[in-house]
Amino acid sequence: AQKVTQAQTEISVVEKEDVTLDCVYETRDTTYYLFWYKQPPSGELVFLIRRNSFDEQNEISGRYSWNFQKSTSSFNFTITASQVVDSAVYFCALTTTGGGADGLTFGKGTHLIIQP
Amino acid sequence: DARVTQTPRHKVTEMGQEVTMRCQPILGHNTVFWYRQTMMQGLELLAYFRNRAPLDDSGMPKDRFSAEMPDATLATLKIQPSEPRDSAVYFCASGLGGQLSLPPLHFGNGTRLTVT
Repeated sequence: AQKVTQAQTEISVVEKEDVTLDCVYETRDTTYYLFWYKQPPSGELVFLIRRNSFDEQNEISGRYSWNFQKSTSSFNFTITASQVVDSAVYFCALTTTGGGADGLTFGKGTHLIIQP
Repeated sequence: DARVTQTPRHKVTEMGQEVTMRCQPILGHNTVFWYRQTMMQGLELLAYFRNRAPLDDSGMPKDRFSAEMPDATLATLKIQPSEPRDSAVYFCASGLGGQLSLPPLHFGNGTRLTVT
Protein backbone atom coordinates (compact mmCIF):
# COMPACT_ATOMS: atom_id res chain seq x y z
CA ALA A 1 0.00 0.00 0.00
CA GLN A 2 1.12 3.52 -0.71
CA LYS A 3 0.94 6.41 1.69
CA VAL A 4 1.84 10.09 1.64
CA THR A 5 2.16 12.07 4.84
CA GLN A 6 2.15 15.84 5.04
CA ALA A 7 2.55 16.43 8.73
CA GLN A 8 2.13 20.20 8.54
CA THR A 9 -1.58 20.95 8.38
CA GLU A 10 -1.11 24.70 8.24
CA ILE A 11 1.85 27.04 8.00
CA SER A 12 1.70 30.79 8.32
CA VAL A 13 4.65 33.04 7.47
CA VAL A 14 5.20 36.66 6.67
CA GLU A 15 5.83 37.66 3.08
CA LYS A 16 9.45 37.31 1.91
CA GLU A 17 10.24 34.54 4.36
CA ASP A 18 11.39 31.18 3.07
CA VAL A 19 9.14 28.24 3.84
CA THR A 20 9.53 24.47 3.46
CA LEU A 21 6.63 22.06 3.09
CA ASP A 22 7.39 18.52 4.15
CA CYS A 23 6.33 15.34 2.39
CA VAL A 24 7.13 11.79 3.47
CA TYR A 25 6.01 8.83 1.40
CA GLU A 26 5.76 5.06 1.71
CA THR A 27 5.79 2.55 -1.12
CA ARG A 28 7.14 -0.93 -1.76
CA ASP A 29 7.72 -0.23 -5.42
CA THR A 30 11.23 0.61 -6.59
CA THR A 31 9.91 2.67 -9.48
CA TYR A 32 7.58 5.45 -8.48
CA TYR A 33 6.79 9.08 -9.17
CA LEU A 34 6.26 11.98 -6.82
CA PHE A 35 4.23 15.08 -7.52
CA TRP A 36 3.37 18.41 -6.00
CA TYR A 37 0.09 20.15 -6.79
CA LYS A 38 -1.08 23.59 -5.74
CA GLN A 39 -4.71 24.37 -4.92
CA PRO A 40 -5.27 28.14 -4.74
CA PRO A 41 -8.40 29.61 -3.15
CA SER A 42 -10.19 29.36 -6.49
CA GLY A 43 -10.13 25.59 -6.04
CA GLU A 44 -8.42 24.14 -9.10
CA LEU A 45 -5.50 21.72 -8.80
CA VAL A 46 -2.39 23.02 -10.51
CA PHE A 47 0.48 20.69 -11.35
CA LEU A 48 3.86 21.94 -10.10
CA ILE A 49 6.40 19.15 -10.49
CA ARG A 50 6.93 15.44 -11.06
CA ARG A 51 10.06 13.46 -10.14
CA ASN A 52 10.82 9.79 -10.66
CA SER A 53 12.49 7.54 -8.12
CA PHE A 54 15.70 7.27 -10.13
CA ASP A 55 16.38 10.96 -10.25
CA GLU A 56 17.44 12.40 -6.92
CA GLN A 57 18.73 15.65 -8.27
CA ASN A 58 17.22 18.64 -6.61
CA GLU A 59 15.22 20.90 -8.86
CA ILE A 60 14.82 24.64 -8.86
CA SER A 61 12.23 26.63 -10.74
CA GLY A 62 12.32 30.31 -9.94
CA ARG A 63 11.46 30.71 -6.26
CA TYR A 64 10.45 27.05 -5.98
CA SER A 65 12.82 24.20 -5.20
CA TRP A 66 12.37 20.54 -4.41
CA ASN A 67 14.59 18.26 -2.34
CA PHE A 68 14.15 14.54 -3.03
CA GLN A 69 15.90 12.18 -0.62
CA LYS A 70 15.27 8.45 -1.04
CA SER A 71 17.19 7.68 2.15
CA THR A 72 14.53 9.43 4.20
CA SER A 73 11.62 8.88 1.75
CA SER A 74 11.04 12.58 1.58
CA PHE A 75 10.22 15.03 -1.17
CA ASN A 76 10.19 18.48 0.40
CA PHE A 77 9.16 21.70 -1.28
CA THR A 78 10.72 25.08 -0.50
CA ILE A 79 9.43 28.48 -1.51
CA THR A 80 12.06 31.20 -1.29
CA ALA A 81 11.05 34.81 -0.66
CA SER A 82 7.39 33.87 -0.32
CA GLN A 83 4.68 36.09 -1.76
CA VAL A 84 1.02 36.52 -0.90
CA VAL A 85 0.10 34.81 -4.18
CA ASP A 86 1.75 31.65 -2.88
CA SER A 87 -1.07 31.27 -0.36
CA ALA A 88 -2.76 27.99 -1.20
CA VAL A 89 -3.09 24.37 -0.16
CA TYR A 90 -0.20 22.27 -1.44
CA PHE A 91 -0.53 18.55 -2.02
CA CYS A 92 2.18 15.97 -2.36
CA ALA A 93 1.22 12.83 -4.29
CA LEU A 94 2.66 9.46 -5.26
CA THR A 95 2.09 6.94 -8.05
CA THR A 96 3.84 4.10 -9.77
CA THR A 97 3.15 5.36 -13.30
CA GLY A 98 4.76 8.44 -14.78
CA GLY A 99 1.65 10.33 -15.68
CA GLY A 100 -0.24 9.24 -12.63
CA ALA A 101 -2.61 7.39 -14.89
CA ASP A 102 -3.12 4.55 -12.48
CA GLY A 103 -4.20 6.95 -9.79
CA LEU A 104 -2.41 9.33 -7.47
CA THR A 105 -2.23 8.83 -3.73
CA PHE A 106 -2.42 12.26 -2.17
CA GLY A 107 -1.29 13.57 1.17
CA LYS A 108 -3.81 15.55 3.23
CA GLY A 109 -2.28 18.82 2.10
CA THR A 110 -0.57 21.76 3.80
CA HIS A 111 -2.43 25.04 3.95
CA LEU A 112 0.14 27.76 3.41
CA ILE A 113 -0.76 31.28 4.47
CA ILE A 114 1.50 34.12 3.43
CA GLN A 115 0.76 37.27 5.37
CA PRO A 116 1.59 40.65 3.87
CA ASP B 1 -4.55 25.16 -23.68
CA ALA B 2 -6.31 21.81 -23.51
CA ARG B 3 -8.22 21.35 -20.30
CA VAL B 4 -10.59 19.05 -18.49
CA THR B 5 -14.08 20.54 -18.30
CA GLN B 6 -16.45 19.77 -15.48
CA THR B 7 -20.09 20.76 -15.15
CA PRO B 8 -21.76 22.06 -13.14
CA ARG B 9 -19.26 24.09 -11.07
CA HIS B 10 -21.67 24.24 -8.18
CA LYS B 11 -24.69 22.14 -7.26
CA VAL B 12 -27.00 22.51 -4.30
CA THR B 13 -29.64 19.84 -3.88
CA GLU B 14 -31.86 18.32 -1.27
CA MET B 15 -31.27 14.98 0.31
CA GLY B 16 -32.76 12.17 -1.72
CA GLN B 17 -32.39 13.88 -5.08
CA GLU B 18 -30.34 12.49 -7.95
CA VAL B 19 -27.16 14.33 -8.81
CA THR B 20 -25.25 13.99 -12.08
CA MET B 21 -21.79 15.44 -12.57
CA ARG B 22 -20.17 15.56 -15.99
CA CYS B 23 -16.62 15.63 -17.21
CA GLN B 24 -15.14 16.20 -20.63
CA PRO B 25 -11.58 14.84 -20.65
CA ILE B 26 -8.79 16.26 -22.76
CA LEU B 27 -9.08 15.02 -26.33
CA GLY B 28 -6.90 11.97 -26.84
CA HIS B 29 -6.57 11.08 -23.17
CA ASN B 30 -7.56 7.48 -22.54
CA THR B 31 -7.78 7.49 -18.73
CA VAL B 32 -10.34 9.36 -16.66
CA PHE B 33 -10.46 9.62 -12.88
CA TRP B 34 -13.02 10.78 -10.35
CA TYR B 35 -11.68 12.12 -7.06
CA ARG B 36 -13.62 13.46 -4.09
CA GLN B 37 -12.21 16.12 -1.77
CA THR B 38 -13.49 16.67 1.76
CA MET B 39 -11.97 18.40 4.76
CA MET B 40 -11.83 15.20 6.74
CA GLN B 41 -10.58 12.74 4.12
CA GLY B 42 -8.70 14.96 1.72
CA LEU B 43 -8.51 13.79 -1.89
CA GLU B 44 -9.83 10.26 -2.39
CA LEU B 45 -9.91 8.26 -5.59
CA LEU B 46 -13.45 7.11 -6.32
CA ALA B 47 -13.10 5.41 -9.70
CA TYR B 48 -11.24 5.44 -12.95
CA PHE B 49 -11.64 4.33 -16.53
CA ARG B 50 -9.22 3.41 -19.27
CA ASN B 51 -10.41 3.37 -22.85
CA ARG B 52 -13.91 3.83 -21.41
CA ALA B 53 -13.77 0.60 -19.40
CA PRO B 54 -13.94 0.83 -15.61
CA LEU B 55 -10.63 -0.27 -14.08
CA ASP B 56 -11.21 0.44 -10.43
CA ASP B 57 -14.23 1.71 -8.55
CA SER B 58 -13.34 0.31 -5.15
CA GLY B 59 -13.32 3.78 -3.63
CA MET B 60 -16.90 4.42 -4.55
CA PRO B 61 -19.97 3.61 -2.41
CA LYS B 62 -21.69 1.13 -4.70
CA ASP B 63 -25.18 1.47 -3.36
CA ARG B 64 -25.67 5.06 -4.40
CA PHE B 65 -22.82 6.05 -6.70
CA SER B 66 -22.34 5.09 -10.31
CA ALA B 67 -19.74 6.17 -12.86
CA GLU B 68 -19.93 5.72 -16.60
CA MET B 69 -18.28 6.79 -19.83
CA PRO B 70 -20.95 6.82 -22.52
CA ASP B 71 -18.31 7.87 -25.02
CA ALA B 72 -14.70 9.00 -25.12
CA THR B 73 -15.63 12.65 -24.63
CA LEU B 74 -17.93 12.29 -21.62
CA ALA B 75 -17.63 10.78 -18.17
CA THR B 76 -20.46 10.96 -15.65
CA LEU B 77 -20.70 10.45 -11.92
CA LYS B 78 -24.18 9.96 -10.49
CA ILE B 79 -25.39 9.89 -6.93
CA GLN B 80 -28.86 8.52 -6.25
CA PRO B 81 -30.16 9.17 -3.70
CA SER B 82 -27.89 11.91 -2.46
CA GLU B 83 -27.15 12.38 1.24
CA PRO B 84 -25.67 15.30 3.22
CA ARG B 85 -22.43 13.32 3.73
CA ASP B 86 -21.90 13.41 -0.04
CA SER B 87 -21.24 17.14 0.19
CA ALA B 88 -17.75 17.61 -1.21
CA VAL B 89 -15.82 18.83 -4.21
CA TYR B 90 -15.68 16.23 -6.96
CA PHE B 91 -12.73 16.42 -9.34
CA CYS B 92 -12.32 14.77 -12.68
CA ALA B 93 -8.84 14.22 -14.11
CA SER B 94 -7.63 12.79 -17.38
CA GLY B 95 -4.34 11.38 -18.59
CA LEU B 96 -2.62 8.87 -20.85
CA GLY B 97 -2.37 5.48 -19.24
CA GLY B 98 -0.27 2.42 -19.80
CA GLN B 99 3.03 4.13 -20.42
CA LEU B 100 5.77 5.80 -18.41
CA SER B 101 7.08 9.33 -18.59
CA LEU B 102 3.87 10.81 -19.83
CA PRO B 103 2.39 14.21 -19.11
CA PRO B 104 0.93 14.50 -15.64
CA LEU B 105 -2.73 14.21 -14.86
CA HIS B 106 -4.81 17.24 -15.73
CA PHE B 107 -7.55 18.09 -13.28
CA GLY B 108 -10.80 19.87 -13.95
CA ASN B 109 -11.94 22.75 -11.76
CA GLY B 110 -14.24 20.51 -9.78
CA THR B 111 -17.94 20.37 -8.95
CA ARG B 112 -18.79 21.67 -5.50
CA LEU B 113 -21.75 19.64 -4.29
CA THR B 114 -23.87 20.63 -1.32
CA VAL B 115 -26.61 18.29 -0.18
CA THR B 116 -29.01 19.79 2.37
